Amino acid sequence: DAKTTQPNSMESNEEEPVHLPCNHSTISGTDYIHWYRQLPSQGPEYVIHGLTSNVNNRMASLAIAEDRKSSTLILHRATLRDAAVYYCILRGYFSGNTGKLIFGQGTTLQVKP
Amino acid sequence: DTEVTQTPKHLVMGMTNKKSLKCEQHMGHRAMYWYKQKAKKPPELMFVYSYEKLSINESVPSRFSPECPNSSLLNLHLHALQPEDSALYLCASSQGGSYGYTFGSGTRLTVV
Repeated sequence: DAKTTQPNSMESNEEEPVHLPCNHSTISGTDYIHWYRQLPSQGPEYVIHGLTSNVNNRMASLAIAEDRKSSTLILHRATLRDAAVYYCILRGYFSGNTGKLIFGQGTTLQVKP
Repeated sequence: DTEVTQTPKHLVMGMTNKKSLKCEQHMGHRAMYWYKQKAKKPPELMFVYSYEKLSINESVPSRFSPECPNSSLLNLHLHALQPEDSALYLCASSQGGSYGYTFGSGTRLTVV
């Protein structure tokens, strides 16, 4: 499985945008870039995923570099509830449902009031 | 229903006990997963079930025994656990392809 590299921790101020980087230089052509977050005492929560184009949903935006070797998760206005561990994970396309989601260390995001 | 439900939320068991963790989803997902998470560490994959058949066992000790009785239900049977097996056990499901996983909130297990 291709690996991802994320900063251990980041800080942000409330109501400001947050850009969480992820490097994945060994990504293969069929790997999707997934982001999950885990709030304290909860299971991981799906945030967003993409393949080549930038993606937006109600939670966040995902910006993918043209060479796909890096990506950035963008939270447009951080709130205190966004304080969590954010995981960037590469997942291949598996038609037979047997794909594995392998977590790295993630980035712990602190949001200051 | 867009949730994965895990029961119990907390479990304390002795090293000679037998207990089971339960996971249920009604989203029609055909892949289900067990993960183990120690404090301040990322989740580690244990088992993958695809169409109710075990497809991946990540070299998990035999004291953990998974079971998938039907497409909505996943169990993890526990027997003769060690204190180091104390952790948060997470269940997840997915509809496959490139889609994301839906995780439950986990069972916090303490082995005494």
